[in-house]
Amino acid sequence: AQKITQTQPGMFVQEKEAVTLDCTYDTSDPSYGLFWYKQPSSGEMIFLIYQGSYDQQNATEGRYSLNFQKARKSANLVISASQLGDSAMYFCLDPGGPGANSKLTFGKGITLSVRP
Amino acid sequence: NAGVTQTPKFQVLKTGQSMTLQCAQDMNHNSMYWYRQDPGMGLRLIYYSASEGTTDKGEVPNGYNVSRLNKREFSLRLESAAPSQTSVYFCASSFGTRSGANVLTFGAGSRLTVL
Repeated sequence: AQKITQTQPGMFVQEKEAVTLDCTYDTSDPSYGLFWYKQPSSGEMIFLIYQGSYDQQNATEGRYSLNFQKARKSANLVISASQLGDSAMYFCLDPGGPGANSKLTFGKGITLSVRP
Repeated sequence: NAGVTQTPKFQVLKTGQSMTLQCAQDMNHNSMYWYRQDPGMGLRLIYYSASEGTTDKGEVPNGYNVSRLNKREFSLRLESAAPSQTSVYFCASSFGTRSGANVLTFGAGSRLTVL
């Protein structure tokens, strides 16, 4: 299973600017990948984006994109044109399934606050 | 399209009482999971069920038991609740493959307080 690290304690960004949220992983498994989830203050967990190790290009979903750097073992989430509704906690997650004997490990999360 | 439904949404218990959190999914997912989230923390895996008929311990299983009743339902039981089990509990499900298809779908959460 991967070890997931999110070390940024809290991030602030001005509305309409871009922000990068960091996530690093530590694994020797060549078939790794990572999910990002958003948790607003209401508490629900919302899937944002996935990147697999064999994907040729960085994943993009609307204003969300992943900056996947294999050499640095990082899969950072980039949010472009931040909106007030982006204020939330963001978690990265190892997507391992039963075949990989993974514990489905979440990072500790990053709190993002968008300022008007 | 209900997705993942967990009950109850809120519960207050006294130390030593028992209770069961219920979870059901209607997406034909193979795998189901129980997480707990403490204030300001990420989610920690309590137990998971890779497929019907199997269950495995996660990161923090002590004080909990689970039952995978059928493919749809996965319950979490606290036999003798302790204040340290005060938390928000999330049930989730997925197809259980090691790929981008393994998106976890979460329930709305159950807030448990143990006095």
